[in-house]
Amino acid sequence: KAGVTQTPRYLIKTRGQQVTLSCSPISGHRSVSWYQQTPGQGLQFLFEYFSETQRNKGNFPGRFSGRQFSNSRSEMNVSTLELGDSALYLCASSLGPAGGRETQYFGPGTRLLVL
Amino acid sequence: AQKITQTQPGMFVQEKEAVTLDCTYDTSDPSYGLFWYKQPSSGEMIFLIYQGSYDQQNATEGRYSLNFQKARKSANLVISASQLGDSAMYFCAIQNQGGSEKLVFGKGTKLTVNP
Repeated sequence: KAGVTQTPRYLIKTRGQQVTLSCSPISGHRSVSWYQQTPGQGLQFLFEYFSETQRNKGNFPGRFSGRQFSNSRSEMNVSTLELGDSALYLCASSLGPAGGRETQYFGPGTRLLVL
Repeated sequence: AQKITQTQPGMFVQEKEAVTLDCTYDTSDPSYGLFWYKQPSSGEMIFLIYQGSYDQQNATEGRYSLNFQKARKSANLVISASQLGDSAMYFCAIQNQGGSEKLVFGKGTKLTVNP
């Protein structure tokens, strides 16, 4: 079974631009979460989607948005990029809410560099 | 709020020896799960092992075992018979169960296995 895939793997943008990152979950997984990883702040939760609905959102400004499609694929968008948005963006998928253990499996990440 | 503390920024171990990576947590939720992930330099987060708050026995997965001490709120990862390929960052994470799948991560421990 194929793992979580993320595209693109690497991205270079300039301040003020916007960017869209894509995530395809493991087949059969219906829940997708996004995390930002930086050397200073570590791993921080961005959003969580299940059945096209955002279930939870982290403490990020409104410039960060996301969505999930009917096939469970997800995208996140960052508008008006700032230097501090340079990070590794990780997507994770899981089967979905089951009232218990919900192991998240991560993709390889998208490395975003904002110049 | 949930919190994970990993007090060892870096650890060194000789090949074939065992090593323990520390993790303490704080949560007010009665039901939670604890996860360990490995992150090689490539960036992908690899799921290693899970421990539920109500699990009676310590979790084991091959060379990985979790030393779970609920009263002390600790969930240390033990890697037996270290291999050179175990060199990576290791993250402990906590997840509230029954609600969001959000993972809260610690700052990580960088493990170096010496030949």
